[in-house]
Formats: sequence, structure tokens, C-alpha cells
Amino acid sequence: AQKITQTQPGMFVQEKEAVTLDCTYDTSDQSYGLFWYKQPSSGEMIFLIYQGSYDEQNATEGRYSLNFQKARKSANLVISASQLGDSAMYFCAMREGLVCGATNKLIFGTGTLLAVQP
Amino acid sequence: DSGVTQTPKHLITATGQRVTLRCSPRSGDLSVYWYQQSLDQGLQFLIQYYNGEERAKGNILERFSAQQFPDLHSELNLSSLELGDSALYFCASSSDGDRGCEQYFGPGTRLTVT
Repeated sequence: AQKITQTQPGMFVQEKEAVTLDCTYDTSDQSYGLFWYKQPSSGEMIFLIYQGSYDEQNATEGRYSLNFQKARKSANLVISASQLGDSAMYFCAMREGLVCGATNKLIFGTGTLLAVQP
Repeated sequence: DSGVTQTPKHLITATGQRVTLRCSPRSGDLSVYWYQQSLDQGLQFLIQYYNGEERAKGNILERFSAQQFPDLHSELNLSSLELGDSALYFCASSSDGDRGCEQYFGPGTRLTVT
């Protein structure tokens, strides 16, 4: 069965520094997608970044990058140059299969609460 | 703004009652998903619809039902409500055209059962 593990319940980082949020996953499928979402205190879920299991390069979106290590089954999120507005809960999620239109349910981890300090 | 809308934003009701949560997906998205977020269960997938048809079911209780209408909006019906149903309910939508079929979430409906 699919499982996402986020072992850091909470993290602190100084403003302008980089931070890595850990995510490991378990699946028997060869084809899958990995996602990171941000949930600020206001409650909405914001899509940040996607990595497909066959992507050869790590995904990047602005200050976000995904450190994908397939053999270790890890998909860590790296936020560079942290800003106060980055303070939020961050969720790692996985979807089995790569084909759009099929079952696309997401399995989420328990989240990491990031606090950016000035 | 994700482009996914949900109403109402907040809902307070009593045990045993029935409520309907409404979701409008992003323009052009055919897939709609419902998730429940609670303190004890975390974020749980409930159900997916694709162009009006049920596509996948998660840990959705029999007291809960959903549908997707021809205009692609979706409703989640929760009946015989219990205190444990208090949670944040999210709707999300996705497009087959997006590379990762990433799901865009609405702002959520916070349900409080008293």
C-alpha cells in the first residue's frame, strides 16, 4: 500500500536561509507522481511542485525544488531564501500512476510545520 | 486563487442533521475530488468524479454521498452527522492537460457538528 512519511513535525529556519523538508514514500508501482502542497494558517491548500517517477531531472519552481532520490524513495522539498510568508504547513503527497484521467487520488503525509524567523 | 470555489465557507450544524457542500471546479477541469482534513485522520481522500461519473472511492462513509452535475460542479452530501464528522472538507479539480494532473484545491468548507 502507498504511504507517505514526513518525520519532521516542525522546523525553524532563519529568514533568507534555505530549508529542506523531508519526505519518504512507499509504493510498489514504478509509475507515480509526487507533489508538495503548502497550507498557510488561512487553511487553503496551495500546489507547489510536481515530480514524475520517470523524470530524470529534479523539478524546480521558483524558490522551490524537489530533491528526488528514487532509490531511497525520498522526495525532499528545498525552499531557498526563506521568506516570512513561507511559514505554513507543508504536505508531501503521492499519486500512483502517471496517466491523467485514471484514478488520481492523492495520499498525503502528516505534514511539517515550518516557521520562518526574522 | 486556485480557481476552485466552494460554498459555504463555514457550516455549523447539529448531530443527526444533513448538509450539502458545493464545489465548482476550475474552468475546463473534468475531474473533481473531495478530501476531508481532520486532526486525528489528517488529509483523507473521499471520492473522485470525472465528467459526471464516479472514478474512485476512498474511505468515504456510507452516510456520505457525492455527485457531479452536467455543468461539472459537484456536491458532497453528509447525513446523520456525528461529532466526529467535524472537519475541513476540500474540493479539488485537475485537468488531463496538466503534465502532473496536479490537483488545485478550493478554500475548503469548515464543518462543525455540535
